[in-house]
Amino acid sequence: GEDVEQSLFLSVREGDSSVINCTYTDSSSTYLYWYKQEPGAGLQLLTYIFSNMDMKQDQRLTVLLNKKDKHLSLRIADTQTGDSAIYFCAEREYGGATNKLIFGTGTLLAVQP
Amino acid sequence: DAGVTQSPTHLIKTRGQQVTLRCSPISGHKSVSWYQQVLGQGPQFIFQYYEKEERGRGNFPDRFSARQFPNYSSELNVNALLLGDSALYLCASSLWTGGYEQYFGPGTRLTVT
Repeated sequence: GEDVEQSLFLSVREGDSSVINCTYTDSSSTYLYWYKQEPGAGLQLLTYIFSNMDMKQDQRLTVLLNKKDKHLSLRIADTQTGDSAIYFCAEREYGGATNKLIFGTGTLLAVQP
Repeated sequence: DAGVTQSPTHLIKTRGQQVTLRCSPISGHKSVSWYQQVLGQGPQFIFQYYEKEERGRGNFPDRFSARQFPNYSSELNVNALLLGDSALYLCASSLWTGGYEQYFGPGTRLTVT
């Protein structure tokens, strides 16, 4: 079955880099995502990576994908207090006519000033 | 351009009642998906609709139903509410049924007492 796992909590100091990790189980997943959720809000699509890529960089965000180990990570450079939020990793399951996302439980990122 | 919109923002119902939640996708997007996010967990897939047809259903009881209208907006209905239905209900839109970019609305917070 599908399962996406993340560590629950990460604390960093402002200006440091943050690395949030995720493992997934569906080797046929073609897209993997990172979403950000601030308190009381919906999900913001931060970035995604296609499964034939190893790395994707988008401004302060770097996504690394290790397909062999089914491991995905999100690095946030120069972390700011505004980055404090819950970060969800998700894998896309697309079969038949259904296109759905399987989410992890989320990692709470706390940025200390 | 407006993003995904949902109404109402908050809702309080009692057990046994019925509720209808509404979603308007991003202009030009034809696929709408619904997710349930229980406090402390990642979102769980409920339904996907495309061109007014159900394209996928998650592991939810028949008390949950949905529909999509000709303008691509959607409604989620939940009958015979249980305390466990208390959650944030999120709507996501994508261009087409296989669209790999899914954008979420702010959600509707449902509390069942």
